[in-house]
Amino acid sequence: NAGVTQTPKFQVLKTGQSMTLQCAQDMNHEYMSWYRQDPGMGLRLIHYSVGAGITDQGEVPNGYNVSRSTTEDFPLRLLSAAPSQTSVYFCASSTGTPITGELFFGEGSRLTVL
Amino acid sequence: GESVGLHLPTLSVQEGDNSIINCAYSNSASDYFIWYKQESGKGPQFIIDIRSNMDKRQGQRVTVLLNKTVKHLSLQIAATQPGDSAVYFCAENTRGGSYIPTFGRGTSLIVHP
Repeated sequence: NAGVTQTPKFQVLKTGQSMTLQCAQDMNHEYMSWYRQDPGMGLRLIHYSVGAGITDQGEVPNGYNVSRSTTEDFPLRLLSAAPSQTSVYFCASSTGTPITGELFFGEGSRLTVL
Repeated sequence: GESVGLHLPTLSVQEGDNSIINCAYSNSASDYFIWYKQESGKGPQFIIDIRSNMDKRQGQRVTVLLNKTVKHLSLQIAATQPGDSAVYFCAENTRGGSYIPTFGRGTSLIVHP
């Protein structure tokens, strides 16, 4: 059981380039989310999805797009990369029920924008 | 807006000591709290959770205490081991929301052998 899989693990971009961070989960979780982690800032929510076809903005959505065409996949797109988007990105999924909100995280994608 | 924060950014302890990591929250509507552990180079992992109708919950070597009066949460780790060295995050959820938790900034626990 792979859990949450993120690719790539490392990426270097030039300012203005676009790219997509991939996230896939095999736990049939309805809820998926993307966080970015910066030194001293903890985890900040970028976008999330409560099910296929449904997405919503989190705390820091500017510069990022998401889509959720299937339950399994939740890609994060950077349309025009900026140095301020240099960060470690984590994808997470959860059952999102009232009983537990435990998130299952991927290993992270470290992005550097030059 | 509401936020979840931590009192101390770094905590250093000796192996075998008990560790206490603190967390303050400001949203009085929060009803579900989670502690996560993040080892270097990895994603956060669930440790323990507690609901607002509880004051204390125990797991294996870990105990979470919730004081709703002062909106304070703590994680106690008994007999701390070098493998406990990590960054610890508290997170809070609010019933009726999206169940996507809000994270605090994290405390780095350093365990000296």
